[in-house]
Amino acid sequence: GQNIDQPTEMTATEGAIVQINCTYQTSGFNGLFWYQQHAGEAPTFLSYNVLDGLEEKGRFSSFLSRSKGYSYLLLKELQMKDSASYLCAVREGGYQKVTFGTGTKLQVIP
Amino acid sequence: DAGITQSPRYKITETGRQVTLMCHQTWSHSYMFWYRQDLGHGLRLIYYSAAADITDKGEVPDGYVVSRSKTENFPLTLESATRSQTSVYFCASSGGEQYFGPGTRLTVT
Repeated sequence: GQNIDQPTEMTATEGAIVQINCTYQTSGFNGLFWYQQHAGEAPTFLSYNVLDGLEEKGRFSSFLSRSKGYSYLLLKELQMKDSASYLCAVREGGYQKVTFGTGTKLQVIP
Repeated sequence: DAGITQSPRYKITETGRQVTLMCHQTWSHSYMFWYRQDLGHGLRLIYYSAAADITDKGEVPDGYVVSRSKTENFPLTLESATRSQTSVYFCASSGGEQYFGPGTRLTVT
């Protein structure tokens, strides 16, 4: 089984940088995903890490340390539209199914 | 249009009734999933399917039935709906990362 931990809520200022952490415990790690979910909408894919290091995609970056069971999502130049929940999800073993954390609700304030 | 769709988007039903939620994807992804999302629990996997005619239980399968006779469709049936099944249901398909349908908001009265 898996255990995934994320902060429940965070608040950050428009234009700033915010880091959302995710820690996990799994017996057969096979990739970590970050999804964004706006209120009342479906989750949408943001990033994927399977090897250690930083993956950058525009204003969003995601980091993975497999030895520490740790990942973070970094959002730069925050915009009001970035207010959403951010879900960390871990894939275990050789299957396509993943386990989701409960998500971090980010509020961006002016 | 390519993508993943769900129907209905909203459903109100009574306790004890049978309800089927539909999911259709146009990518020909092998893997499909059903999740429910409740406050405080996040997304929880109900059932998943690796291919047509291959399905398996997820974390919370009790009270649900699935089938997959065609690659593109993955219906979820609540055989006898209970109030605890009031939730938002998301279908997803995967070719690597998962792509989610828009969700079905189900209320059981």
